[in-house]
Amino acid sequence: EPEVTQTPSHQVTQMGQEVILRCVPISNHLYFYWYRQILGQKVEFLVSFYNNEISEKSEIFDDQFSVERPDGSNFTLKIRSTKLEDSAMYFCASRKQGASYNEQFFGPGTRLTVL
Amino acid sequence: DAKTTQPPSMDCAEGRAANLPCNHSTISGNEYVYWYRQIHSQGPQYIIHGLKNNETNEMASLIITEDRKSSTLILPHATLRDTAVYYCIVRRNNNAGNMLTFGGGTRLMVKP
Repeated sequence: EPEVTQTPSHQVTQMGQEVILRCVPISNHLYFYWYRQILGQKVEFLVSFYNNEISEKSEIFDDQFSVERPDGSNFTLKIRSTKLEDSAMYFCASRKQGASYNEQFFGPGTRLTVL
Repeated sequence: DAKTTQPPSMDCAEGRAANLPCNHSTISGNEYVYWYRQIHSQGPQYIIHGLKNNETNEMASLIITEDRKSSTLILPHATLRDTAVYYCIVRRNNNAGNMLTFGGGTRLMVKP
């Protein structure tokens, strides 16, 4: 069964450094998402992406964050200058096109630790 | 999107049915009820969704009241692997982003 994959599974970085989290969505899906979950807290929406542009974003997704689909398979989240409070699990998700298909498939997550 | 209310935690005996309630009294006519779950530290997993009719799939059944103000997710024969946080989310379907807003969910503990 096809699944969303994410790399790396765990990323440790120093405060102020740039990180890129990578995701490979399911191949025939056209909508892509990033969510994050700070330890012990709720899953929070960051951004959705369709047709090579952002379709929705939350207040969390400020100028430090960007997303890109550099080729036909990868979907990346970049954090330009990481802060301690960016430490969280980051989940990528994807779904098919079509109003009736709102089943989002989530990846296993990348645990980001900012020191 | 309409707000949902779920009990913070529930226990269920292994092999018995787990019935997880959700209140969504402000749901509007074009909003669907979705259920996802999150097993410890994993990504959320879609379970089922419905508009007004009851729905069943290989994982669960979804019972929506006639007035649509509440629903119940039923896991017919809970196993230890069903221990997870279960999220009820109300969302209209469209071709835009369709972001999911996760609340606190219900932490289901299936006990042997």
